Amino acid sequence: SAVISQKPSRDICQRGTSLTIQCQVDSQVTMMFWYRQQPGQSLTLIATANQGSEATYESGFVIDKFPISRPNLTFSTLTVSNMSPEDSSIYLCSVLDSLGADTQYFGPGTRLTVL
Amino acid sequence: AQKITQTQPGMFVQEKEAVTLDCTYDTSDPSYGLFWYKQPSSGEMIFLIYQGSYDQQNATEGRYSLNFQKARKSANLVISASQLGDSAMYFCAMRMTDSSYKLIFGSGTRLLVRP
Repeated sequence: SAVISQKPSRDICQRGTSLTIQCQVDSQVTMMFWYRQQPGQSLTLIATANQGSEATYESGFVIDKFPISRPNLTFSTLTVSNMSPEDSSIYLCSVLDSLGADTQYFGPGTRLTVL
Repeated sequence: AQKITQTQPGMFVQEKEAVTLDCTYDTSDPSYGLFWYKQPSSGEMIFLIYQGSYDQQNATEGRYSLNFQKARKSANLVISASQLGDSAMYFCAMRMTDSSYKLIFGSGTRLLVRP
């Protein structure tokens, strides 16, 4: 499976600021996803990061709040904009491994705390 | 609409014993995929096992096996010979049957292995 890294691994931010999270994969992948996991909750898909075009957002998530870039097949960023304490979560990127069962593999996550 | 249900918020198991984590799903599509992931306290999501809706046999991966009962729409995870390192959150997930490859997750089960 692909090796996925995320930066930063954790951060503490002030409300009203923005944080950009990077996701790097060691091989080219067709599909990348961004998930949010609020404290004590399950994972919720934010958007699918599309290479060369705008991301596809899920209901309840908007581009102004969570702008996503995907300049190539190995890299994507998620920005959490104008943060509030409610944005405190683990943010995870995942990639689709098209070999075999179309399994999604996840990065190590970014643990964000907003004060 | 597709849905995943995990009814056990927490489970205990004695070290070296087997444990079953429950997962039921709801979908009207004939083709779907079911996944189990493990999330240690570090936050990463680790893929454990996959079961396709057309697979004739239950999936197995080392100490993990999936008890797939299609008519009951259940996909329970069985962990044999539990180890202390198995203490974690466990999430059942289903892949959307459209071309999006999105995953929807259950609420998770926290497993604690007692020495």
